[in-house]
Amino acid sequence: EVQLVESGGGLVQPGGSLRLSCAASGFTVRTNYFNWVRQAPGKGLEWVSSIYSGDSTFYADSVKDRFTISRDISKNTLYLQMNSLTAEDTAVYYCARDLFLNGYSNQFAFDIWGQGTVVTVSS
Amino acid sequence: QSALTQPRSMSGSLGQSVTISCTGTRSDVGGYNYVSWYQQYPGKAPKLIIYNVNKWPSGVPDRFSGSKSGNTASLTISGLQAEDEADYYCFSYAGSYPRVFGTGTKVTVL
Repeated sequence: EVQLVESGGGLVQPGGSLRLSCAASGFTVRTNYFNWVRQAPGKGLEWVSSIYSGDSTFYADSVKDRFTISRDISKNTLYLQMNSLTAEDTAVYYCARDLFLNGYSNQFAFDIWGQGTVVTVSS
Repeated sequence: QSALTQPRSMSGSLGQSVTISCTGTRSDVGGYNYVSWYQQYPGKAPKLIIYNVNKWPSGVPDRFSGSKSGNTASLTISGLQAEDEADYYCFSYAGSYPRVFGTGTKVTVL
């Protein structure tokens, strides 16, 4: 079955760190593009970060220099290292695969989503 | 890059149709035929229901249809069913960053 499963969320104090994981099954992370998307309580979807072939990465301004996206091909897993967390980072974090169509990844849509992992930043 | 604009809420009776708009600019919606739509139930992950303006992923009923005119894309839900009550988000490829979603629309089935 093709799926993404996130883990690593939890309660962390302001200024703390967390590393989220997103394990892929049914396909390889090596040849796909991935994203982290978050949703604050009662709010809409917010793109956080993307990783592409050659490990090219992009970040939202709100997380730049604090968050790092990466992947481990041997573990078929995507990661999001989050440092210097603030209350504004409190959200459900989803990993999502860029649309894989006709044998290629592209940036036109997000076709597979994980179930989400909750991050709460509070003292 | 600002979020794409959607109506906050819409409603319709069982069996009726509702059309949700998603307004962007010529840099995103108007510039590419790569608009996608997502359905999200409370506490659940979003699900892709339309991609490339009007294409269906496998398993999505054709009651959902997409279109685009100029800088505005639309999602139409025909023959509303109770299970269509959810939040809906649009997204458009823009060739740049940040990648932005629509503001989201809550659909209520009366």
